[in-house]
Amino acid sequence: DAKTTQPPSMDCAEGRAANLPCNHSTISGNEYVYWYRQIHSQGPQYIIHGLKNNETNEMASLIITEDRKSSTLILPHATLRDTAVYYCILHPPGNTPLVFGKGTRLSVIA
Amino acid sequence: SAVISQKPSRDICQRGTSLTIQCQVDSQVTMMFWYRQQPGQSLTLIATANQGSEATYESGFVIDKFPISRPNLTFSTLTVSNMSPEDSSIYLCSVCRHAGELFFGEGSRLTVL
Repeated sequence: DAKTTQPPSMDCAEGRAANLPCNHSTISGNEYVYWYRQIHSQGPQYIIHGLKNNETNEMASLIITEDRKSSTLILPHATLRDTAVYYCILHPPGNTPLVFGKGTRLSVIA
Repeated sequence: SAVISQKPSRDICQRGTSLTIQCQVDSQVTMMFWYRQQPGQSLTLIATANQGSEATYESGFVIDKFPISRPNLTFSTLTVSNMSPEDSSIYLCSVCRHAGELFFGEGSRLTVL
C-alpha cells in the first residue's frame, strides 16, 4: 500500500508556481521521497527525489520538512504541458519496484 | 535515461483470447517490472521479471493468468491469458537504472470485448 497522502486534484494558473503537497508521516529513515508524473496516455516520468535536503533540478524543486513527514514539489512556472497526475512515492535504497498511490491531478489553466 | 519500446501500443481483443506484450530496452538491465493501469486508476505492480529466474508476482496476480518471459537482459514479454473485459487496461513495462529511478515504456492499451 502507498504510504503517502496527496490531494486528489489541484488547479494552477499558467505561469504561476504549482506547489504540490505530500504527507508521509510514517516514512522510514532510509526511504527517499520520489516524485513522478504521468501525462495523459504516456508512461510515468521521473521528476526528482530527495532524502532530507531540499533538491532542485531543471524540472522542479523538492522541499522536505525537517521531520521528513511531508514534502512539497514545486513547479516554478507551470505551463499547460505540466497538466498531469503527480505521484509522490517513498522508496528505500535498492533496485525494487515503486508503489504508486493515487497521486494529484494537476490542471494548469490558461 | 533508457529507451523502452512496447508492442503493441494498443489492441482490441476478443474475450477468451490471449495477447503477448513485448518490451524491448535499449541497454541491458537487471530488473524489469510489469505494471497494470486500469481505467482511471493508478499503477499496480503485476510482477518483477529477472533474467534467468522465474518472475515474482504480486498478490492478486498469478503466473497462469500473466505468464512472463525474460530471455535476456534487454527483452521481456507479458502475456494476458484468457482475457475478459476486466483485463482492459494499460500494461506498462519499466526498468530500473538507478535505485528508485524507473523508466517506463509508453504502455500497451488493451481493450477486451
